[in-house]
Amino acid sequence: ETGVTQTPRHLVMGMTNKKSLKCEQHLGHNAMYWYKQSAKKPLELMFVYNFKEQTENNSVPSRFSPECPNSSHLFLHLHTLQPEDSALYLCASSQGGERSYEQYFGPGTRLTVT
Amino acid sequence: KQEVTQIPAALSVPEGENLVLNCSFTDSAIYNLQWFRQDPGKGLTSLLLIQSSQREQTSGRLNASLDKSSGRSTLYIAASQPGDSATYLCAVRNTGGFKTIFGAGTRLFVKA
Repeated sequence: ETGVTQTPRHLVMGMTNKKSLKCEQHLGHNAMYWYKQSAKKPLELMFVYNFKEQTENNSVPSRFSPECPNSSHLFLHLHTLQPEDSALYLCASSQGGERSYEQYFGPGTRLTVT
Repeated sequence: KQEVTQIPAALSVPEGENLVLNCSFTDSAIYNLQWFRQDPGKGLTSLLLIQSSQREQTSGRLNASLDKSSGRSTLYIAASQPGDSATYLCAVRNTGGFKTIFGAGTRLFVKA
């Protein structure tokens, strides 16, 4: 197991629901990432937070809303999702700053939108 | 725009074979290249990280090389084992930010 945990591991939600994904890292890192992995597509970077500031938003629809209250926690708030949003959502962390650091991933949340 | 391609998409080999997985990228302005392993339905496990100034990294039976000028990296796995069966992903981090681009992966199956 890595030092990055994600909850819940599985989530089924209707299109009108509101839910949140949680990520926590115990590695003392300052950068955290959300990725989306859909079937038969490469991992796509969604958001990056560096020292709690959002530094990347990869043209993600507003129905996905990230929140980073501190360097150890990252949330992804979900509302009015579409079936095509069903995917594995992965969180990662690395040391902060703009230098070149290794990313460590959590186990992911498998999301199904019905 | 950075694009990352991995060849082959899938590979099946008998146990004990040495094998090479390939990764190519279109923009050489990178901070690093990282190789990962992903088991079905699971998260990613980092295998090796090569900084842009490095040529190769080794860990156990794994060796990764980087040729930034030609936009290529290879992951060499020696004496493959059934436990090596997984999808192998390469990812490049572009300079000037945190943007990380992944390849589609190579699905490896090592037969006992």
